[in-house]
Amino acid sequence: ETGVTQSPTHLIKTRGQQVTLRCSSQSGHNTVSWYQQALGQGPQFIFQYYREEENGRGNFPPRFSGLQFPNYSSELNVNALELDDSALYLCASSLGLVLQSSYNEQFFGPGTRLTVL
Amino acid sequence: AQSVTQLDSHVSVSEGTPVLLRCNYSSSYSPSLFWYVQHPNKGLQLLLKYTSAATLVKGINGFEAEFKKSETSFHLTKPSAHMSDAAEYFCVVNDMRFGAGTRLTVKP
Repeated sequence: ETGVTQSPTHLIKTRGQQVTLRCSSQSGHNTVSWYQQALGQGPQFIFQYYREEENGRGNFPPRFSGLQFPNYSSELNVNALELDDSALYLCASSLGLVLQSSYNEQFFGPGTRLTVL
Repeated sequence: AQSVTQLDSHVSVSEGTPVLLRCNYSSSYSPSLFWYVQHPNKGLQLLLKYTSAATLVKGINGFEAEFKKSETSFHLTKPSAHMSDAAEYFCVVNDMRFGAGTRLTVKP
């Protein structure tokens, strides 16, 4: 069984650019969630995708967008990068939704560290 | 509204001594609570979860946590620290709202 993988491991961009981060779910999982973890802070929920549809979003602007593909892999896209977007971006997969009462255990990838200069 | 507060940003213990990582939560309904561990350059790993069953929850690697509704707390404990326990620990409530984390250092 393959765990959650993310690419790239590290990325450096400049302010105003666009970035795409990728995540491969654990085998059999149909839900992917994305989190932003700034240095010295806990992860913050960005959004969750269930069967290719966005299902739940945290307090992030529209320039953060995502996709989930038929094989349940996922992308996180960030447009018009700002310095504050520098963070570790974590992807987590699960078998079903994880929001509120419908809890399903999440399995996290190692993350992509994004630096915006 | 839901929130979680980890009362210590850094805890340092000696190997073989007890570990206590403190977490208080706020929730407008009966909460689900979790503890995750994050080792450097590794993904977050679920240690244990409380979902309204037994108030004392046992997790992996000898960790356990007790849900105390009257104190709105969910503290993580371990009787004897091991060097491999050194990591960042996160308390999480309901909709995957994470605390700021507690860094555990274990001294030889």
